[in-house]
Amino acid sequence: NAGVTQTPKFQVLKTGQSMTLQCAQDMNHNSMYWYRQDPGMGLRLIYYSASEGTTDKGEVPNGYNVSRLNKREFSLRLESAAPSQTSVYFCASRTGESHSPLHFGNGTRLTVT
Amino acid sequence: AQTVTQSQPEMSVQEAETVTLSCTYDTSESDYYLFWYKQPPSRQMILVIRQEAYKQQNATENRFSVNFQKAAKSFSLKISDSQLGDAAMYFCAYRNLSGNEKLTFGTGTRLTIIP
Repeated sequence: NAGVTQTPKFQVLKTGQSMTLQCAQDMNHNSMYWYRQDPGMGLRLIYYSASEGTTDKGEVPNGYNVSRLNKREFSLRLESAAPSQTSVYFCASRTGESHSPLHFGNGTRLTVT
Repeated sequence: AQTVTQSQPEMSVQEAETVTLSCTYDTSESDYYLFWYKQPPSRQMILVIRQEAYKQQNATENRFSVNFQKAAKSFSLKISDSQLGDAAMYFCAYRNLSGNEKLTFGTGTRLTIIP
């Protein structure tokens, strides 16, 4: 059981370049999330999708877009990368029931130069 | 808005001893969930323990237990018989019972185990 799979694990971009972070889960979860982790700031929610076909902004959505392609997949796109987007990005999912915890992927370390 | 505060950026404990990590939160809700996640150097986020606010009994998972004080809005994590594998960042997190998907995290506590 793979759980939550993120690709790539590492990425270096130049300012202004675009890229898409991929996330897929095989646990039949309804809800999926994108977080970023910065030193001293914990994890902050970028976007989430409560169910297939819906997406909503989190705390720090500026500069990002998301697509809930189907129940399994939830991608995060940076249209024009900026150095402030250098971070570790985590995808997570959960069933959607109120008590259910988040299951995380292994993260993507993104550096924007 | 809900906030979660972890006031100890770093803690250390001797192997086999007990350590308590602090977490406080601010909310106007009466029903919610609280979580502790562990992040070892591998970067993986691992659920350690969770507590439902409507339950008075403190949650326990093997060597991990919580001290949940609802009135004080405090949710500390106690690790007994500390092991080298417990070395990690520990994050406290909060979520409303319903109507809000957001899981709010604290800034984390780095735990070092001294052999």
